[in-house]
Amino acid sequence: DTGVSQNPRHKITKRGQNVTFRCDPISEHNRLYWYRQTLGQGPEFLTYFQNEAQLEKSRLLSDRFSAERPKGSFSTLEIQRTEQGDSAMYLCASSLYSTSGGGETQYFGPGTRLLVL
Amino acid sequence: GQSLEQPSEVTAVEGAIVQINCTYQTSGFYGLSWYQQHDGGAPTFLSYNALDGLEETGRFSSFLSRSDSYGYLLLQELQMKDSASYFCAVRDTNAGKSTFGDGTTLTVKP
Repeated sequence: DTGVSQNPRHKITKRGQNVTFRCDPISEHNRLYWYRQTLGQGPEFLTYFQNEAQLEKSRLLSDRFSAERPKGSFSTLEIQRTEQGDSAMYLCASSLYSTSGGGETQYFGPGTRLLVL
Repeated sequence: GQSLEQPSEVTAVEGAIVQINCTYQTSGFYGLSWYQQHDGGAPTFLSYNALDGLEETGRFSSFLSRSDSYGYLLLQELQMKDSASYFCAVRDTNAGKSTFGDGTTLTVKP
């Protein structure tokens, strides 16, 4: 178990540019979540996948944001035409969902810190 | 809408016991989780309560009262390394996604 990894760890970009982040979940985990966190606040849900299917997307997420998980393993989050308000920590988490129920622990990656100038 | 309330800051001394409260108003409820986050680090899972009562994991315990929409995290025998932010999070659907509070910054002093 190597944990959840995210790349890059830091990204500085100019307003208007596109950026793409990658998340590699824990290998046997079937669910993958993207959150955004700004200073002094808790993580804010963006979207999540079960295997390769994107099952929910936050209403707060603009059309400039898109996420994929093409083979049900790693995922990418793309932000098009970045704005200064997109500056935040982007967190990925994965979990093992079972229909038998019970708690579903989310394991977070180290995050990608985005700064839009 | 969904809202979670927790104190913004708590200070305690090494060896003491501290309780961090969380009240929530959500459209659905499947369980309450607690996460620890050190500065610059990722949130790490501490505990999960789906049913009323106390869950104990080492020095940390978590309590839930669904009828009161209330839970708390209890940290015992505080250590300096416990200085961090603590978030409560409600799993409000069976989808597994969580709504997080804004966090409580715990400062442990010698």
